[in-house]
Amino acid sequence: EAGVTQFPSHSVIEKGQTVTLRCDPISGHDNLYWYRRVMGKEIKFLLHFVKESKQDESGMPNNRFLAERTGGTYSTLKVQPAELEDSGVYFCASSQSAGSSYNSPLHFGNGTRLTVT
Amino acid sequence: ILNVEQSPQSLHVQEGDSTNFTCSFPSSNFYALHWYRWETAKSPEALFVMTLNGDEKKKGRISATLNTKEGYSYLYIKGSQPEDSATYLCAWSPWDTGNQFYFGTGTSLTVIP
Repeated sequence: EAGVTQFPSHSVIEKGQTVTLRCDPISGHDNLYWYRRVMGKEIKFLLHFVKESKQDESGMPNNRFLAERTGGTYSTLKVQPAELEDSGVYFCASSQSAGSSYNSPLHFGNGTRLTVT
Repeated sequence: ILNVEQSPQSLHVQEGDSTNFTCSFPSSNFYALHWYRWETAKSPEALFVMTLNGDEKKKGRISATLNTKEGYSYLYIKGSQPEDSATYLCAWSPWDTGNQFYFGTGTSLTVIP
């Protein structure tokens, strides 16, 4: 099966610009997560979709971040306007059925490295 | 505060040595603990999913134990090989957060040939 894919792999933008990251989860995975890792720190939770619904978005830093998952398939994470502190690696992960997701491992994409200058 | 701590932060061992590292997490509201292996330039890959106190899981030379009452998990690697070099991440999920996972900062293992 195809794994979790993320696009782009790298993005360098200037402060104030907009960037949209995309994640295509493994087909059939209801759960989709966004995480961010800032250099030297732990991977931090941003939000969790179950199908097209936002289950938990408590990790979203502020209203400059907007995530969508139209139709319960791929997801996008938009940062507008980007700030310097938004730099980091953004990971997407998916896992199987919502009913037993705690027992299912997360399948990660390779991440998008975002640099805001 | 929902902290997951891993120790040591980094580790260098000789090929053939056995090693172990620790993941500590809050002992209340335990739901699940995952271990992931993260090689440079790749994405984290799941090693183990652990849900019950006393769980022991094994995959080849790598094994893990879980103590939910005291809030820790150990990962063991027997006879380390250079290809074991990676960062090992643990992720804890409490039961009341709707499947949210909290990650530690990882243990970076380097196996010297």
